[in-house]
Amino acid sequence: SYEVTQPPSVSVSPGQTASITCSGDNLGDKFACWYQQKPGQSPVLIIYQDSRRPSGIPERFSGSNSGNTATLTISGTQAMDEADYYCQAYDSSTVVFGGGTKLTVL
Amino acid sequence: QVTLKESGPALVKPTQTLTLTCTVSGFSLSATGTRVSWIRQRPGKALEWLARVDWDDEKFYSTSLKTRLSISMDTSKNHVALKMTNMDPVDTATYYCARTIGRDYGMDVWGQGTTVTVSS
Repeated sequence: SYEVTQPPSVSVSPGQTASITCSGDNLGDKFACWYQQKPGQSPVLIIYQDSRRPSGIPERFSGSNSGNTATLTISGTQAMDEADYYCQAYDSSTVVFGGGTKLTVL
Repeated sequence: QVTLKESGPALVKPTQTLTLTCTVSGFSLSATGTRVSWIRQRPGKALEWLARVDWDDEKFYSTSLKTRLSISMDTSKNHVALKMTNMDPVDTATYYCARTIGRDYGMDVWGQGTTVTVSS
């Protein structure tokens, strides 16, 4: 079955740019989504169809997807962005989540 | 306002069958493009997709769990149900339902989740 892989953790200083990757075979041929999850809360969709932001999601969140890697980029990272981030792809009509990346804002 | 709310037993015994219900409001389960998924998250672990039912009653399951899962939809009650057979302590998790509208659009609204513990 299809799998996508994320780094377990990423650290960033406030105001800097954080990049979180999601890797999978020919992932660029599929659509990727990204979710943010804070402790004790349900996940929130922050990027869909590789690079589109739902209404209400700040512009500092952006996404790209090419080749074998999808990337979530957070520009001007804020303390409130500290959370777990999950990528998600579609494999045929089933759904695959990555293992999650814990973003620490130091 | 679009909401989804999970309900079901907080505790089940090993080998029992778990039945969870997702009650939706603010949208129609039968509207073209509407899809509802069940996802779980074991304590401290990643999200794991379990199953999905689409507006046309087409159903899809996780490859690894498909023999244990059954998803169904009752549009008259605005319910999506998930049954998981032969529960084991490793199935202890928070179970979420979430909505997708359209193809490849991501799960834009999630329920609050319901925690299920499997223990004798």
